[in-house]
Amino acid sequence: DIQMTQSPSSVSASVGDRVTITCRASQGISSWLAWYQQKPGKAPKLLIYAASSLQSGVPSRFSGSGSGTDFTLTISSLQPEDFATYYCQQANSFPKTFGQGTKVEIK
Amino acid sequence: QVQLVQSGAEVKKPGASVKVSCKASGYTFTGYYMHWVRQAPGQGLEWMGWINPNSGGTNYAQKFQGRVTMTRDTSISTAYMELSRLRSDDTAVYYCARDLKQWAHNWFDPWGQGTLVTVSS
Repeated sequence: DIQMTQSPSSVSASVGDRVTITCRASQGISSWLAWYQQKPGKAPKLLIYAASSLQSGVPSRFSGSGSGTDFTLTISSLQPEDFATYYCQQANSFPKTFGQGTKVEIK
Repeated sequence: QVQLVQSGAEVKKPGASVKVSCKASGYTFTGYYMHWVRQAPGQGLEWMGWINPNSGGTNYAQKFQGRVTMTRDTSISTAYMELSRLRSDDTAVYYCARDLKQWAHNWFDPWGQGTLVTVSS
């Protein structure tokens, strides 16, 4: 199975900050990577797919980059509604696997 | 709009089985793969497998092989996930999630609201 490792596990930030979350795959996955946002008690929501494609309806402050083994999710200017947990997910091979999550907390 | 509505919470004893349903609306049910993902309390996300609602074909994560069965009823646009020989560590919220793209099995969007399955003696 491909292991997905996110860093950091948590980050404290203020409204307006630029936040960057990284995801590393244990082997190359080309651009077969997605990012999800999950708020407490809610289902995850797709933000980015194919490493850098913004899902419809997702604010443009979210962006994704990377290919191969190293990927980044960037929130350019953190908003109050962005405080949540973020997961990466690889779709290169079976089984689909997720990172362990990064919690974005209010500083 | 596309919507997935799951069945309600379940409490089961160890060794029992549970069957969770996921009713789809707002799109052509047979055109999109359906995935099942679970999340144990306070933990991350774990993909269980997918079903092709058109053919009924399935692909399960090896971890669940032999214990999970995914089926569908196209007449009512509903997918099902049955997990047998339940253990306490199967306690989790179970989500169905449609694939983003037709005839693909890569990205999960949208998701159902989740079904809490509690396994306890």
